[in-house]
Amino acid sequence: GAVVSQHPSRVICKSGTSVKIECRSLDFQATTMFWYRQFPKQSLMLMATSNEGSKATYEQGVEKDKFLINHASLTLSTLTVTSAHPEDSSFYICSARDRATGGEGSNQPQHFGDGTRLSIL
Amino acid sequence: KNQVEQSPQSLIILEGKNCTLQCNYTVSPFSNLRWYKQDTGRGPVSLTIMTFSENTKSNGRYTATLDADTKQSSLHITASQLSDSASYICVVSGGDYKLSFGAGTTVTVRA
Repeated sequence: GAVVSQHPSRVICKSGTSVKIECRSLDFQATTMFWYRQFPKQSLMLMATSNEGSKATYEQGVEKDKFLINHASLTLSTLTVTSAHPEDSSFYICSARDRATGGEGSNQPQHFGDGTRLSIL
Repeated sequence: KNQVEQSPQSLIILEGKNCTLQCNYTVSPFSNLRWYKQDTGRGPVSLTIMTFSENTKSNGRYTATLDADTKQSSLHITASQLSDSASYICVVSGGDYKLSFGAGTTVTVRA
């Protein structure tokens, strides 16, 4: 089945460091990828939508200058948390929409990566 | 207010027993409803997806139901196994690509 690989799985770093998280679709092309953040015992919250070859669309309240998204190819999107602080500590998850699988719009399946646990000291 | 509410928040069951999780939603318009299983520290894995016209769908020991009129869904786990211990998330799509996530029900299966 479709696989989304996310790397790294866990990051621990000092406050002020910038951290890059990669999201790759391994066996399909993903023109659209999504970045979520999940705090303990809470729902996944959509941060931004990453579109290949164009600027990302950010959800209200998400700072685009702090969470930089680059979707340079059909199989790779990156999220960079710039100058990370302890309040940025969270579980970050990406997903990718497999356009080739079929279905229209929201019925297209989304495949999730295994997440990145970010801990800022 | 979250548009997808799940209950219970958590439950503990004995191995081999059945359980049912509930999901109520207010998302409108409605496109589809999905149930995901999320193991601790992992990403969600899709169990079922149902569109407006479907009222039940099974995936092995998992059976999901949907009542689009009352905007309710349930996920039934039959003959639970230790590996079923996870968080189960109800996700509703109201159109285009955006998904509304429930907070999940944490299921713990004990031997």
